[in-house]
Order: sequence, then structure tokens, then C-alpha cells
Amino acid sequence: QGQLVESGGGVVQPGRSLRLSCTASGFNFPSYGIHWVRQAPGKGLEWVAVISYDGSHQFYADFVKGRFIGSRDNSKHTAYLEMSSLRSDDTALYFCHCFRGVAEYWGQGTVVTVSS
Amino acid sequence: SYELTQPSSVSVFPGQTANITCSGDLLTKKYARWVQQKPGQAPLLLIYKDTERPAGIPERFSGSTSGTTVTLTISGAQTDDEADYYCSSPPDNSLVFGGGTRLTVL
Repeated sequence: QGQLVESGGGVVQPGRSLRLSCTASGFNFPSYGIHWVRQAPGKGLEWVAVISYDGSHQFYADFVKGRFIGSRDNSKHTAYLEMSSLRSDDTALYFCHCFRGVAEYWGQGTVVTVSS
Repeated sequence: SYELTQPSSVSVFPGQTANITCSGDLLTKKYARWVQQKPGQAPLLLIYKDTERPAGIPERFSGSTSGTTVTLTISGAQTDDEADYYCSSPPDNSLVFGGGTRLTVL
């Protein structure tokens, strides 16, 4: 059974950086674009970014453009989200997610708290 | 940019049918997916390609589509179905979620 596992969350001060990781197992990771989706406390799901299957293209929500960078290493079955210039409104549970047809995978998420 | 609109809440009694709608122009171009999220859990896929149900999802969950609206129907709702439900659809190079619907089974 395929799964995704996020790591790298934590408490960080405003303006600082953090790198999230998403490691896949049990499915053909290099075939999937990887999305990052976040959920602020008590709020809904919000798309953040997508990294294409080979890492050659990345697209971002307007609210993270210029601050977040997505990448992946298919040899390690791992995707990354480098977050910089973090703000208090970036506080959320961050999921990595991928899907194609009936196949869909979500991690359990990693919590990012931006606070002084 | 695209938007998907869902009612913020829906309430039904056990055994009744719950209908959760999701509307947006995007849905005339792209398929919708529905996920269920319970507190502290990752989302779970219920419906893909507007109407298809993955193996292992109970038959009481079904999807339908009409124009710019897709609908998740829960026939014979159970107390265990209390959760948040989100529609989503992938315009080119991104993913759009509806605001989510909190289903209460009274």
C-alpha cells in the first residue's frame, strides 16, 4: 500500500526558513506530480504548490510565490518544500499529496507554526 | 482564478440522504474529486472523475454532475459519516479546493 510521510515541521520565528520533506513508498513516485496542500487551524484545505513528475516545473499559489520553492529527488522518492520569509499566516498543517485517476495518496501532514 | 463553492454546513438525521454541492465554472472543463476528512486525519478519497467510487468506499457515497455543479450524495447517512467534505478539481498546473462542508448527522 502506497504512502507519503511528511517531516520537517516545527516552530519558527517570522522571517525565518524551514524545509519540509515528503517521502514516498509503495508506489511509482516518479510518475506523479507532487502537490503541497496546507490547512490552517480550523480552516479548509488550501493548495500551495505542485512539482511536476520530473521536477522540471513548479507552480505556486500567489500567496507563496517568491517565498517557497518546491523540488524533488526521484532517486530518494522524496519531494521538498523550502519555505522562506515565513509569516504568521503560514501557520498550518502541511500535507503532501498526489493523485492520478483512482490512485490518490495523502500524508498525515507536518505542523508548521510561525511565531515569535 | 477558479473557485469552487460549497455550503459551509449540511445537517441530516441518521438514515436520511445528504446532498453536498460544489459549484464552479471549472467543473465544465475538469473532473471533480471528493474527499472526506475527520478530525486529526488525512483526507480520504470518496469520489473521482465526478462519479467514480474507489474500491472499499461504501456504496452509500455517490457522485453526480450537472453543468457547473457536482454533488456528493450520502444515502442513508450514518453517525460515522460526520466529517468535513471537500471537492477539488485540477485546472492546469494547480489544484482548487472548495471551502469544505461540515456534515452533521443529528
